[in-house]
Amino acid sequence: DAGVTQSPTHLIKTRGQQVTLRCSPKSGHDTVSWYQQALGQGPQFIFQYYEEEERQRGNFPDRFSGHQFPNYSSELNVNALLLGDSALYLCASSFVVNPYEQYFGPGTRLTVT
Amino acid sequence: QKEVEQDPGPLSVPEGAIVSLNCTYSNSAFQYFMWYRQYSRKGPELLMYTYSSGNKEDGRFTAQVDKSSKYISLFIRDSQPSDSATYLCAMSEDSSYKLIFGSGTRLLVRP
Repeated sequence: DAGVTQSPTHLIKTRGQQVTLRCSPKSGHDTVSWYQQALGQGPQFIFQYYEEEERQRGNFPDRFSGHQFPNYSSELNVNALLLGDSALYLCASSFVVNPYEQYFGPGTRLTVT
Repeated sequence: QKEVEQDPGPLSVPEGAIVSLNCTYSNSAFQYFMWYRQYSRKGPELLMYTYSSGNKEDGRFTAQVDKSSKYISLFIRDSQPSDSATYLCAMSEDSSYKLIFGSGTRLLVRP
C-alpha cells in the first residue's frame, strides 16, 4: 500500500524566487492538505484540496497557492520567497468522508537564502 | 495563549518505563484528537485517532481524552529506545478540516 509521497526531498532557493512542491496521496485517498513546519514547532495548516477545489485555507498569504489534479495529486506553489519561508513542507492525505484522519508524507525541506 | 499547549521536554525515561505524554487545549469545540510520532527530519506518523471523550488502546499505546478538563494523554507501555522521537498532539473541530498541533514533546528512552 503506497503511502504519501512528496518531491523533491530538499530544495534551496533564493529570496524572491518561486517554488513548486509536489505530493501524491496515499492509495485510495482523495483529499490533500498542506502544512508548514518550522524547526521546533508543530505543523501549521496552509490549505486543503478536494475535487480540485481549495476547501479550507489557513492563515497564510496569497503567495501560497495550490492545485489538485484529477488523479488527486497536488502541488504547492510559493511565490516571492522570503527567508521566513524556510521550513519543512508536509503534505497529508485523507478520505473526504473522514478528513480528520490525515496521513503525512516525509516532507520537503525548503531553505531560502 | 496557544490553542494547544504541550510541554516540549525533553522527557528522558529508562527502557521498559510507562511514558505519559499530555496536551491541554482551550477550544471547547475540538472533537477530534490525534497523536503523531515524528522522528528527526521525517514526516509525522499517525499513532492514535479518537473522536470525543474516552479511551482508545492500540498495542502498547493508550489515548485518553477528558473534554471536561480539556486535557488529552498518550500512554506508552514497555517503552523501547525506538520510541525515542517527538510526539505531537493534534485536534480539530467538526466541519473544520485543519488540524491544530501542539509544538511537540521530545521523548528519549534510554537503553
